[in-house]
Amino acid sequence: QKEVEQNSGPLSVPEGAIASLNCTYSDRVSQSFFWYRQYSGKSPELIMSIYSNGDKEDGRFTAQLNKASQYVSLLIRDSQPSDSATYLCAVNRQGAQKLVFGQGTRLTINP
Amino acid sequence: NAGVTQTPKFRILKIGQSMTLQCTQDMNHNYMYWYRQDPGMGLKLIYYSVGAGITDKGEVPNGYNVSRSTTEDFPLRLELAAPSQTSVYFCASSPNPDTQYFGPGTRLTVL
Repeated sequence: QKEVEQNSGPLSVPEGAIASLNCTYSDRVSQSFFWYRQYSGKSPELIMSIYSNGDKEDGRFTAQLNKASQYVSLLIRDSQPSDSATYLCAVNRQGAQKLVFGQGTRLTINP
Repeated sequence: NAGVTQTPKFRILKIGQSMTLQCTQDMNHNYMYWYRQDPGMGLKLIYYSVGAGITDKGEVPNGYNVSRSTTEDFPLRLELAAPSQTSVYFCASSPNPDTQYFGPGTRLTVL
């Protein structure tokens, strides 16, 4: 079992709809969770971090964490074509010096 | 602030050649990382460093070497290049293991 798993997609969502991206992780001692966005041909950039169970909202983005079920998700409301990118889920265990990344989900927003 | 810079942007190597990928950051971050990203895949950690003089292996270190003599620089050395090392290489720096800032990447092809 991979340490961090994502559906590689592609996920296609119409403009204005809600895009839902999911990520599961295997290590129960994981403590911090991140979503990075990567445009085609570019480097990843951090867009959301979440550390405790529940929801965290930042503009059109909401990160959701459920440690009991070992999943973290990212919701993008009012999706825009500029949201088309690959979204990478990353996880860090307490005391670890590094992140573990999933393989990424490619999201396409259709006008 | 230039952030994280990587050179070169592109490089073609012949099998068996060697080269050094340069990475420099001007944010005084202690943590630095080298990743490779194969097409359609996530990021795989090659090596990382938690400070000058300290380096450690990631999940795919074979065929690579690193050094960290200063806080700013974290070069990645490829010895005896092989086609399997064709990839995009990203360097990242961070004030802590979580919030990583990525360089623009080096696209390497080994023929």
